[in-house]
Amino acid sequence: DGGITQSPKYLFRKEGQNVTLSCEQNLNHDAMYWYRQDPGQGLRLIYYSQIVNDFQKGDIAEGYSVSREKKESFPLTVTSAQKNPTAFYLCASRGSNQPQHFGDGTRLSIL
Amino acid sequence: AQSVTQPDIHITVSEGASLELRCNYSYGATPYLFWYVQSPGQGLQLLLKYFSGDTLVQGIKGFEAEFKRSQSSFNLRKPSVHWSDAAEYFCAVAAFNDYKLSFGAGTTVTVRA
Repeated sequence: DGGITQSPKYLFRKEGQNVTLSCEQNLNHDAMYWYRQDPGQGLRLIYYSQIVNDFQKGDIAEGYSVSREKKESFPLTVTSAQKNPTAFYLCASRGSNQPQHFGDGTRLSIL
Repeated sequence: AQSVTQPDIHITVSEGASLELRCNYSYGATPYLFWYVQSPGQGLQLLLKYFSGDTLVQGIKGFEAEFKRSQSSFNLRKPSVHWSDAAEYFCAVAAFNDYKLSFGAGTTVTVRA
């Protein structure tokens, strides 16, 4: 089945560590997005990519990094510079003139 | 920049009763508007979207929404709710040229028997 796969579902980070969240899609979508979700705040855009080898910062990019080497993949790295990383992270992709489709999310917690 | 306001943080409704969730947006041009639903610990599922044309939009699971430009609103309705409709609902707006979504804070719906 076509869809978006985020892994792992749960992730724990120690202080000072970088961690990478995986997002893979087999929908042949050009655009991909990362959002952070905190209780009572809705979703906020971290980074997005409209084409391979290109990406832009969203509203809350500080402390995060991404790459887009393949159309199918858009991994997000939460660096040690992100002081409050505990959140639910959602990846989405979008085809031409279509709404965004979302993965099932990764919940990141600090040990 | 566009923004979305969902005035109701939490709504409780009886099973079989009607439901209306409010959404107001701010955007200088004609927006693209969306409603998504999220069950606990899950991703977001698209209920319906408005790009252009008929201002009354039908979606999945018996939901509909009406775009009212004069009121900058895009309220979601369902005539008769089911227990399975208990979830969090998000309204979102995107600019026509880049599809970046701005989300409201969400409305949690509780359904009582």
